[in-house]
Amino acid sequence: NAGVTQTPKFQVLKTGQSMTLQCAQDMNHEYMSWYRQDPGMGLRLIHYSVGAGITDQGEVPNGYNVSRSTTEDFPLRLLSAAPSQTSVYFCASIPQGKVEAFFGQGTRLTVV
Amino acid sequence: GENVEQHPSTLSVQEGDSAVIKCTYSDSASNYFPWYKQELGKGPQLIIDIRSNVGEKKDQRIAVTLNKTAKHFSLHITETQPEDSAVYFCAASKGYSTLTFGKGTMLLVSP
Repeated sequence: NAGVTQTPKFQVLKTGQSMTLQCAQDMNHEYMSWYRQDPGMGLRLIHYSVGAGITDQGEVPNGYNVSRSTTEDFPLRLLSAAPSQTSVYFCASIPQGKVEAFFGQGTRLTVV
Repeated sequence: GENVEQHPSTLSVQEGDSAVIKCTYSDSASNYFPWYKQELGKGPQLIIDIRSNVGEKKDQRIAVTLNKTAKHFSLHITETQPEDSAVYFCAASKGYSTLTFGKGTMLLVSP
């Protein structure tokens, strides 16, 4: 098992550009989520999904869209990037009936 | 919603000393309290967790204590080693649901 795989690892965007951060897990986990990590702010929840076809907003959802068409994939879309979205983004998954979260290696995004 | 406060933000110790990181939570319905270790350039990794029906849990050099009445929990690392240097996060959740994280503690262990 590869676990939780995030791509790309690094990305630089210009203000106003769009992009999709990819997250895939091969552990058949039902629950998946996206966090952003900023200095001194810890990890803040952006969006989460409890299963294919179901998504919900977290603490800081503005400027981000998600979809969950399959159990394996949970992409995060930035429709119009802003400098305030410069951050490190982590995807995490949790097996059904369990509580331990497994994190990917992160995507470092810079918006200039 | 849940609010998790974590202290201190940085902690420097000498190798062999003990380190203690403390967290408080606001939602009395939270019942799962994990601790994550994040090394530079990597994602957080679970190191120990505790549920609300347990007061203390140990795993070799690390232990976690929980005081439900006061709504606080702590991470204890004994006999610290340089490889313990990392950022540590506490979190709280109501079981199978979203995790709310503290802001993290950077632990530096000097040889």
